[in-house]
Amino acid sequence: QKEVEQNSGPLSVPEGAIASLNCTYSDRGSQSFFWYRQYSGKSPELIMFIYSNGDKEDGRFTAQLNKASQYVSLLIRDSQPSDSATYLCAVNENAGNMLTFGGGTRLMVKP
Amino acid sequence: DAGITQSPRYKITETGRQVTLMCHQTWSHSYMFWYRQDLGHGLRLIYYSAAADITDKGEVPDGYVVSRSKTENFPLTLESATRSQTSVYFCASAQGREKLFFGSGTQLSVL
Repeated sequence: QKEVEQNSGPLSVPEGAIASLNCTYSDRGSQSFFWYRQYSGKSPELIMFIYSNGDKEDGRFTAQLNKASQYVSLLIRDSQPSDSATYLCAVNENAGNMLTFGGGTRLMVKP
Repeated sequence: DAGITQSPRYKITETGRQVTLMCHQTWSHSYMFWYRQDLGHGLRLIYYSAAADITDKGEVPDGYVVSRSKTENFPLTLESATRSQTSVYFCASAQGREKLFFGSGTQLSVL
């Protein structure tokens, strides 16, 4: 059974701080990794994806992947109250499979 | 350009009734998906479709039926609704299996 684990939170950070969201996965053969953001009462939206070990930056967001340790992280710099949402990690073992989603981490950014 | 639309937005039904949730996308994406989202379980895949007339089971298919006679439509039917099927249902589409675009969701209550 493939598993994707996230701390449910809430993770509370002050405005302007760095928010660090973590995700671990059980399948060592996993190849692609995604972060979706879901505002309360809304649908998930894709914000980042990463395929290779290391960091990938997009604006205030950085995805970090460490396949040896089987974790993927999302850093949000200069956090804003508008970043308050649930962040879902999703993992795919290979191109032939469907995504497996974690339960999500709720982030609260306090002004 | 609506992208992906789901209907109805909210639905209340009784146990034993048949319910159909509709999903329509205008992007001509090959893949379409149905997920349910419940507290404590995250997003779980019910069924997916790789193309018109091709469907396959996901993680939790029991009690659900899908069809895809046209690329743009992917209805989900609960043949005899049960209380355990009370959930928020999300339809999604993608050109491949990973970068999903989600509809706004249907909140279903089975009494």
